[in-house]
Amino acid sequence: DGGITQSPKYLFRKEGQNVTLSCEQNLNHDAMYWYRQDPGQGLRLIYYSQIVNDFQKGDIAEGYSVSREKKESFPLTVTSAQKNPTAFYLCASSITPTIQGVTEAFFGQGTRLTVV
Amino acid sequence: DAKTTQPTSMDCAEGRAANLPCNHSTISGNEYVYWYRQIHSQGPQYIIHGLKNNETNEMASLIITEDRKSSTLILPHATLRDTAVYYCIVRIGNTGNQFYFGTGTSLTVIP
Repeated sequence: DGGITQSPKYLFRKEGQNVTLSCEQNLNHDAMYWYRQDPGQGLRLIYYSQIVNDFQKGDIAEGYSVSREKKESFPLTVTSAQKNPTAFYLCASSITPTIQGVTEAFFGQGTRLTVV
Repeated sequence: DAKTTQPTSMDCAEGRAANLPCNHSTISGNEYVYWYRQIHSQGPQYIIHGLKNNETNEMASLIITEDRKSSTLILPHATLRDTAVYYCIVRIGNTGNQFYFGTGTSLTVIP
């Protein structure tokens, strides 16, 4: 089945440790995104990548890093510099549109990170 | 900057139509309106999108005003499984840029 997979679903880490969240897609999408969601709030964009080996900061990139070495993969590292890392993290992908409007994003099921 | 305004919450009786409004008064001519929904602790699910014409699919209908400054998502026969947070988003359709989500409308379908 084609889709976007995030792992693990739940993740616990001690304060001060870096942690990497996995996101893999087999939809052959060029664009991939990372969002953060806090309780009762909408999604905020952390980073996005429109093509392999290229990525841009979103609204809340501080304390996070990404890489895009392969089209299928867009891992997110939550570094110790992120002051409030506990949150629900969502990865998404979409085609880089050649046809206007046909660009809906497909989301993974999320990783809930808890830092203690 | 979410660029859209939605009511925080709404209720709808099961079996009735749910009409979810969205204001996007600063929308540009090349920006599309997208709707997603998110059931608790899951990833958002695409529902429908449109530019200026009304659109319908198996999930919902999208009504966009003539001036494109607002739209309404219609779930024709709401079920309990439609209880979710609904997000209205505007984005440029042909640049592959990011999706900006606001806080959405929390729809509760009441038995």
